[in-house]
Amino acid sequence: GENVEQHPSTLSVQEGDSAVIKCTYSDSASNYFPWYKQELGKRPQLIIDIRSNVGEKKDQRIAVTLNKTAKHFSLHITETQPEDSAVYFCAAQVEGGSEKLVFGKGTKLTVNP
Amino acid sequence: DVKVTQSSRYLVKRTGEKVFLECVQDMDHENMFWYRQDPGLGLRLIYFSYDVKMKEKGDIPEGYSVSREKKERFSLILESASTNQTSMYLCASRRTDTQYFGPGTRLTVL
Repeated sequence: GENVEQHPSTLSVQEGDSAVIKCTYSDSASNYFPWYKQELGKRPQLIIDIRSNVGEKKDQRIAVTLNKTAKHFSLHITETQPEDSAVYFCAAQVEGGSEKLVFGKGTKLTVNP
Repeated sequence: DVKVTQSSRYLVKRTGEKVFLECVQDMDHENMFWYRQDPGLGLRLIYFSYDVKMKEKGDIPEGYSVSREKKERFSLILESASTNQTSMYLCASRRTDTQYFGPGTRLTVL
């Protein structure tokens, strides 16, 4: 089955710096890759996703890139702000397959003012 | 706006008790999921359901069962709670792509 590895497990940056979180997946059939943000005490919420027919997707200060050949995808946050502090989870899924997402273990991002 | 609710935010039970965690969604989603979240282990899938009365085992189904009698409701059952089932339990639902999570139930088994 699918296995998703996520790195780093913790990341600390200064406000205004960029942050990058990387994930690798094992199943070459996976074709949908969402990222979730979970603030302290709150539920995970989708922040951006990408499908395998696209190499990059941007939404304001966040972007996701996908390298299908290497089977890895990354989340990029630019101009970080304290409110970006949260745990971020990547996930992978075979759309049209088992319908289940396989999550990485999460990255705790801390943005220091 | 999609709403996924869970019956309790906090729950304390004793070892050996039968525990029911309920999840309700109001968007007519076919797929519903139960996860447990533990520090350093991320979100691990316990069970999921893609239709009424249908269920599939996830990655860690041992010690759990589920029930889906109505489309909007998905219940997680701990037949005989044990201390190693102390955790945060998250329910989610999905129709096409976006998965929506409930607020979570923090279960403590003493």
